[in-house]
Amino acid sequence: EVQLLESGGGLVQPGGSLRLSCAASGLTFVNYAMSWVRQAPGKGLEWVSSISITGDTTNYADSVKGRFSISRDNSKKTLYLQMNSLRAEDTAVYYCATLAIWGTTGDYWGQGTLVTVSS
Amino acid sequence: QSVLTQPPSAAGTPGQRVTISCSGSSSNIGTNFAYWYRQLPGTAPKLLIYRNNQRPSGVPDRFSGSKSGTSASLAISGLRSEDEADYYCAAWDDSLSGVVFGGGTKLTVL
Repeated sequence: EVQLLESGGGLVQPGGSLRLSCAASGLTFVNYAMSWVRQAPGKGLEWVSSISITGDTTNYADSVKGRFSISRDNSKKTLYLQMNSLRAEDTAVYYCATLAIWGTTGDYWGQGTLVTVSS
Repeated sequence: QSVLTQPPSAAGTPGQRVTISCSGSSSNIGTNFAYWYRQLPGTAPKLLIYRNNQRPSGVPDRFSGSKSGTSASLAISGLRSEDEADYYCAAWDDSLSGVVFGGGTKLTVL
């Protein structure tokens, strides 16, 4: 069974930093491009960032470009999202996912981790 | 304001067929595949349709997708109460070099 387990969410003050992790199991991690998608409370889905299989190609939404950094450790089967200069509008549930849009045969999502940016 | 435009709500009665639209542009749906997700309250999204009209294994054939020009559609036939959920379309956008989602459509089964 495929499992994507996010961690690292929590309450942080505006301007602060947080690092999210996503531990993968039940799939060949190195075969999947990985993504972060977020959902603000009561709102729709917003793609945040994606990283290629090898990690040499990354993409970011304009809303987080220059503040967030995506990375992966294939030896640990783990995806990361470093979030700096956090704003109130970054408050959301953050999901890690293997989006089918990257041409993979599987589309898997974690259960999400809540990030709250508030003073 | 989402790059892909969906109606905020849709409704139907059990057994009915409903269609949800997703309007984009030449830089996303017009040149790339459309994807559809369903999200039940408090859970992660689940893929319903990929590459415009393909169903992942396990997704009933009551769900079908289509694309025409810069728009895509999701059709649900034989509507059931458990189909009540939020539905999202998605696509790659060449201009933004990123994934774009629709704003979501809340489907109510009356």
